[in-house]
Amino acid sequence: EIQLQESGPGLVKPSQSLSLTCSVTGYTITSGYDWSWIRKFPGNKMEWMGYISYSGSTNYNPSLKSRISITRDTSKNQFFLQLNSVTTEDTATYYCARTYYYYDGTYYLNWFAYWGQGTLVTVSS
Amino acid sequence: DIQMTQTPSSMPASLGERVTISCRASQGISNYLNWYQQKPDGTIKPLIYYTSNLQSGVPSRFSGSGSGTDYSLTISSLEPEDFAMYYCQQYDSSPWTFGGGTKLELK
Repeated sequence: EIQLQESGPGLVKPSQSLSLTCSVTGYTITSGYDWSWIRKFPGNKMEWMGYISYSGSTNYNPSLKSRISITRDTSKNQFFLQLNSVTTEDTATYYCARTYYYYDGTYYLNWFAYWGQGTLVTVSS
Repeated sequence: DIQMTQTPSSMPASLGERVTISCRASQGISNYLNWYQQKPDGTIKPLIYYTSNLQSGVPSRFSGSGSGTDYSLTISSLEPEDFAMYYCQQYDSSPWTFGGGTKLELK
C-alpha cells in the first residue's frame, strides 16, 4: 500500500523559509510518476504548488516560481518542499501527493492518486 | 492559468437526496477533469477521473459528466458518509488548478 506522510514545523515566522518533508512508503519515488505538493488555504481554496518527477525534473506553479524548490533524497525515499520568504498568506494545510498518469495516443489520464494526511503550517510572528 | 468555478460553495442536503455540483472552466479543457472528496478529518481521495470514470471502490451512486467548459458531479442518493468537501481539478494545462470546493452539509 502506498502511503505518504508530511512532516515539518507547524509554525514559521514571516520572511523565513518553510520546509516540509514527505516520506513515502510502499513505492519508490524513482520508479515512476510525479510527486507533488498541494496546499489548501483557510477558506478552502486549493493550489497545486509543483512536482518533482521520478527522474528528478521539476515543474513549478508560476505563481510560486521565484520562491519554491522541490528536492528529494532517494536514499530515504523522501521529497521536500522549501518555500522562501513566507508571509501570512502562506498559512495553509500542505499535502504531498503522487500522480497517476497514462497516455496511449488517444486517452490522456492524469490525477492525484495518493495523498498524505496534510500538515497545517501557520505563518505568524 | 485556467480558472475553475465551482458551484455551489455549500449545499445543505438530506439523506437520500440527489445532488449535483457544477464546475465551469474558463476555457475548454477537453474532458481533462477530475473530482476529489475531502472528508472532515482532512483525508482526500480521488473520486472520478477524465470527467466520468469512477475510481476503483467508489460507489455507483457517484457519477460525472460534462464537456467543453462545463462539468458536473452527481450523487444519486446521499448516504451519511457523503457529507464532505468536493473539488474539481483540471489537467488540460499546467498549472493544474482546482475549483473552490463545495461543502455538502446535512440539512
